[in-house]
Amino acid sequence: NAGVTQTPKFRILKIGQSMTLQCTQDMNHNYMYWYRQDPGMGLKLIYYSVGAGITDKGEVPNGYNVSRSTTEDFPLRLELAAPSQTSVYFCASTLGRGRGHQGYTFGSGTRLTVV
Amino acid sequence: KQEVTQIPAALSVPEGENLVLNCSFTDSAIYNLQWFRQDPGKGLTSLLLIQSSQREQTSGRLNASLDKSSGRSTLYIAASQPGDSATYLCGPRRTSGSRLTFGEGTQLTVNP
Repeated sequence: NAGVTQTPKFRILKIGQSMTLQCTQDMNHNYMYWYRQDPGMGLKLIYYSVGAGITDKGEVPNGYNVSRSTTEDFPLRLELAAPSQTSVYFCASTLGRGRGHQGYTFGSGTRLTVV
Repeated sequence: KQEVTQIPAALSVPEGENLVLNCSFTDSAIYNLQWFRQDPGKGLTSLLLIQSSQREQTSGRLNASLDKSSGRSTLYIAASQPGDSATYLCGPRRTSGSRLTFGEGTQLTVNP
């Protein structure tokens, strides 16, 4: 199993550009998450999904959008990139509450710089 | 809102020492708690998952304890090695929801 796969690993964007960060998991997990981590800080939740077709905002959703059309994929969209979005983005997944005592699996991250 | 505090923020020790990393959280209604390590420029690697009904969980030189009522978890690292150098993060998961909340972590350096 590949686990949680994120692409790309690195990206430089110009202010105002848009891009999609890809996240795929092959563990048939229901719950998926997007976090951002700023230098020297903890992880903050951007958006999450408890199943296909269901998404909800986390702590810091402004400037981002998500969709969940399949169980496997949970892309994160940046529409108008701003320097404040320079960060490392992590995707994570877990089986789901009440579905066994499962932990979270994280992807290796996407390092985004907006200039 | 769940808030997580990890103490100390940074720790530098000589090789071979036994270490204690502390995690405290404000909302004791948790489902489980997971400890991760993060190497510089890398993702999070799961170390231990401790359920709300458990008091301890062990893996090799690592031992995690959980005192849910007081909102605390401790990660104990025995006989530390330079390869243990990383940032350690704890993430409690709320009972009524699904998200993990993180503190800023403890940055550990083990010197040869």
